[in-house]
Amino acid sequence: GAVVSQHPSWVICKSGTSVKIECRSLDFQATTMFWYRQFPKQSLMLMATSNEGSKATYEQGVEKDKFLINHASLTLSTLTVTSAHPEDSSFYICSARGLAGGSSYEQYFGPGTRLTVT
Amino acid sequence: GNSVTQMEGPVTLSEEAFLTINCTYTATGYPSLFWYVQYPGEGLQLLLKATKADDKGSNKGFEATYRKETTSFHLEKGSVQVSDSAVYFCALKAGGGNKLTFGTGTQLKVEL
Repeated sequence: GAVVSQHPSWVICKSGTSVKIECRSLDFQATTMFWYRQFPKQSLMLMATSNEGSKATYEQGVEKDKFLINHASLTLSTLTVTSAHPEDSSFYICSARGLAGGSSYEQYFGPGTRLTVT
Repeated sequence: GNSVTQMEGPVTLSEEAFLTINCTYTATGYPSLFWYVQYPGEGLQLLLKATKADDKGSNKGFEATYRKETTSFHLEKGSVQVSDSAVYFCALKAGGGNKLTFGTGTQLKVEL
């Protein structure tokens, strides 16, 4: 149990376009979802936290107009990178928190999405 | 602010060798401490955790003890296997919130 999926697993887009990444909790309801960004050989940096049905809370320094987060249901959150530029190229990871498999409110992580902006 | 420092990798060991991956932290109050593991192509998985000083987390032969006096949470395993090859992340959660602060990760390679 407690599986989180991300789609796509990798994406290449042209500079100036927007790209949407989906995060789904497959077998539990996620009251909270988190979006992280990971640079090579660096730690995961929390970008934002979203609760179902409410606006996301962004970490300091993260542009909310550039990284649009929607948590429309208890099993789906999306991250849209708007007007992407090469510096947005990174590995984006989501996690979901909810009651799953008897474990009370741990964070369960998706496999990540590799975004390359050309 | 909160921070986690862990040893740089990659760490390369022979099968059945003893493993230590060092992790130290800086945090206000009394954080909870975690080790996550990321196998190739998969998401991070919680390996073990400890929520208060002197607690020992253990799972799959791995252990880590919450040492408040040295602000450390070193990961150990007595005999590693090839299947333990992965990236290991130390993390903390402080202040009663949901936010996890991660170290940079340590890649472990175990060879026959």
